[in-house]
Amino acid sequence: EAQVTQNPRYLITVTGKKLTVTCSQNMNHEYMSWYRQDPGLGLRQIYYSMNVEVTDKGDVPEGYKVSRKEKRNFPLILESPSPNQTSLYFCASSLYPNTEAFFGQGTRLTVV
Amino acid sequence: DQQVKQNSPSLSVQEGRISILNCDYTNSMFDYFLWYKKYPAEGPTFLISISSIKDKNEDGRFTVFLNKSAKHLSLHIVPSQPGDSAVYFCAAQGAQKLVFGQGTRLTINP
Repeated sequence: EAQVTQNPRYLITVTGKKLTVTCSQNMNHEYMSWYRQDPGLGLRQIYYSMNVEVTDKGDVPEGYKVSRKEKRNFPLILESPSPNQTSLYFCASSLYPNTEAFFGQGTRLTVV
Repeated sequence: DQQVKQNSPSLSVQEGRISILNCDYTNSMFDYFLWYKKYPAEGPTFLISISSIKDKNEDGRFTVFLNKSAKHLSLHIVPSQPGDSAVYFCAAQGAQKLVFGQGTRLTINP
């Protein structure tokens, strides 16, 4: 079954404690990206990757890092989380940026 | 600066009637437009897309219209069904980035 898997689904952490949200896809897609969803703001792109070792900033990259060492995995790293990073996060993959994207189920992060 | 705007946060439509969701954009460099549907506690799912070289694309009950001169696109759902109740996001693609609107919550009333 074609899918994008994110973990964890829910996470509560404290300010400054490094965390990683994992994302894996099984469709051999080239393009992967991370979004955050906030009320009234919709989905905003954090980072995207066109292929292995190729990553670039989206619209809201501050405070986040990513890596793409393998085609299937695209983890999101928060080196020093802050309360304004409390949000619902989605990972997505697609063959190209303009083709159908498959989204993970989301990770609800709370930073206290 | 919101490059893609969905100005209606919510829309209520009677079952069987047409639902029309609207989206405006500001960047003329966008070359693909997509619509996604989202249920609570799930990730968005793809509905339909349109290239900037077209003005209409149809898939079953869903039709997307693109008016480039007005920088406006719309999604028509006809007939509307209870299962269509969800949040709908339009998205615009350009320069390898994907920009989403704020979403419109569609409620289909029986």
